[in-house]
Amino acid sequence: KAGVTQTPRYLIKTRGQQVTLSCSPISGHRSVSWYQQTPGQGLQFLFEYFSETQRNKGNFPGRFSGRQFSNSRSEMNVSTLELGDSALYLCASSRGDTAGEKLFFGSGTQLSVL
Amino acid sequence: DAKTTQPNSMESNEEEPVHLPCNHSTISGTDYIHWYRQLPSQGPEYVIHGLTSNVNNRMASLAIAEDRKSSTLILHRATLRDAAVYYCILRDVGSNYQLIWGAGTKLIIKP
Repeated sequence: KAGVTQTPRYLIKTRGQQVTLSCSPISGHRSVSWYQQTPGQGLQFLFEYFSETQRNKGNFPGRFSGRQFSNSRSEMNVSTLELGDSALYLCASSRGDTAGEKLFFGSGTQLSVL
Repeated sequence: DAKTTQPNSMESNEEEPVHLPCNHSTISGTDYIHWYRQLPSQGPEYVIHGLTSNVNNRMASLAIAEDRKSSTLILHRATLRDAAVYYCILRDVGSNYQLIWGAGTKLIIKP
């Protein structure tokens, strides 16, 4: 069974640009959640999508958005990049139907904003 | 929101048991207690989870206090590969299964 795949693995952008990250969940999983990880702030929850609908949202500005497609693949977009957006972006997939289930994480996309 | 409190770091010797504590005094009756760990340059990895009873799997054991306000992750025989940041997390049914992450405990294994 293939794991969670995130692309690209590394990305370098400049301030003001926008970026789109992709996450392909494990087959059969309907929930995809996104996290931002920085050395200073740790793991911060961005949002979760379940069956193409945003089910949960963290405390991030509107520049951070996402979507989920009918095959459960998800994308997140960050517009008007700022230096502080440099971080490791992780996605996790799960069935999404119980609090007692495991989350499976991808290896992340390392975004550097110059 | 329910939150967890963990020590910032712990040290242990290789091949000895490790007990990683977690406090979650505001836990609700339907919150599951999850543990994940993150090795350097990798995404978090599931370790174990439980609701009320103690749990065992091939990686670790989870001991949950009777009042559920604290729990302990037990690595029975630590190896150098267990050096990681360990996160104790509550999964809240009432908040659509949203995970509430703490700062984690950095586990250092001494050879």
